[in-house]
Parts: sequence; C-alpha cells; structure tokens
Amino acid sequence: KQEVTQIPAALSVPEGENLVLNCSFTDSAIYNLQWFRQDPGKGLTSLLLIQSSQREQTSGRLNASLDKSSGRSTLYIAASQPGDSATYLCAVGTGANNLFFGTGTRLTVIP
Amino acid sequence: GAGVSQSPSNKVTEKGKDVELRCDPISGHTALYWYRQSLGQGLEFLIYFQGNSAPDKSGLPSDRFSAERTGGSVSTLTIQRTQQEDSAVYLCASSFGPGGRPEAFFGQGTRLTVV
Repeated sequence: KQEVTQIPAALSVPEGENLVLNCSFTDSAIYNLQWFRQDPGKGLTSLLLIQSSQREQTSGRLNASLDKSSGRSTLYIAASQPGDSATYLCAVGTGANNLFFGTGTRLTVIP
Repeated sequence: GAGVSQSPSNKVTEKGKDVELRCDPISGHTALYWYRQSLGQGLEFLIYFQGNSAPDKSGLPSDRFSAERTGGSVSTLTIQRTQQEDSAVYLCASSFGPGGRPEAFFGQGTRLTVV
C-alpha cells in the first residue's frame, strides 16, 4: 500500500524567507502528484499537479519537483508571505481510484 | 458549476440518527471521490465513482456508510445510525477521470458532529 510522509509536520518562518516542504512516498509507480493547501476549517485548494513524466511545475512563487525513482517531491515557496500560512498536503495519484495523502505540513509565516 | 459544492457545510446530529451529505461536482467531471478528515488526521479515502462504472467502495469503514451517484453527477453519502467516532469533516472531490487531466478539485467539506 502506498504511504505518503510529509516532513516537517510544522514549520515557522519569518516573512520573506524561502522555504522547502518535503513529501516522500513508498511506491514509485505513481501517475501523478498533487500539492494542495488547506486553510483552517476549509476544503483543499489545488496548487500544482505534476504528471509522472514531468520533473517540476511552477506557479507564481511556487515550484514543485518530482523525483519518482527516489520517491520524493518538494514544494518550494519563494519570498514567503503571511498569507501563505496554511497546511500543505501532498497527494499521490496511483492511476487507480485513489489519491494517497500525507498528513501535511502546517506552515506559519511570521510577519 | 464553477466549483465542487457540498451541503450542508455543518451538521450536528444525535447519536443513532441517519445523515445525508451532498456533493455537486464540477460540470463535466466524471470522477468523484469522498474523503474523511478527522481532527488532526490525514485524509481517509472512502469511495470513488467513475462514470457509470461500479464504484470503488474499498474505503468505507463500515456497512453504516453508503454512497450513491445519480445520473453521473450529484452524489450523496449516507451514514446510518451515526456514532461519535463518525464526527469529522467529509470532503468531496471531482476530476476528469481516466484520459483527462487528473487534477482533483475539492469542495469546502461538511463538518459533521455527532453528539
């Protein structure tokens, strides 16, 4: 069974700092990997989707990379802002009927 | 619709009562997922619908849980004889399904509290 791990569980950084969130998965036979953010009491907002054939995706200040062979993905956030404070979740798509989620990294950006 | 819509946003029910949670996916999305998120926990897969195919019910935690998807669009998750451990946020997502862009979009969730 696919297991997804996110480290660290929580992270606090001062505003303006660049940061990296990590996601690892145990089965490299994935179809895609998706990063989400979740604000308290809210649903999930899709940030980036990386197909298995891709190495990275960029959207604004966000850059997500994927290394299938090592079972890792990173989400890089440049010039962090207080509005980036949220829980970030990665999810691995196996091509079957499921997205396997990590437990998330709770990010706090301190003004 | 413009996004995945779930109703109600909040539901408080007494232990033993039945509840129905509704999900209206994005128009054109053939795949629909239900997840459960308990306090401080990750997302737990419940059930998956794809078009007219038989749903994948492998994540349903007990036979008190069931789900339907009528006309390939709106889905209803039903929990019978609710228990306190059913308290959680129930999230619905939709995507284009096989052959289409697999990006999943989530609704805002239904927060269920069983008292």
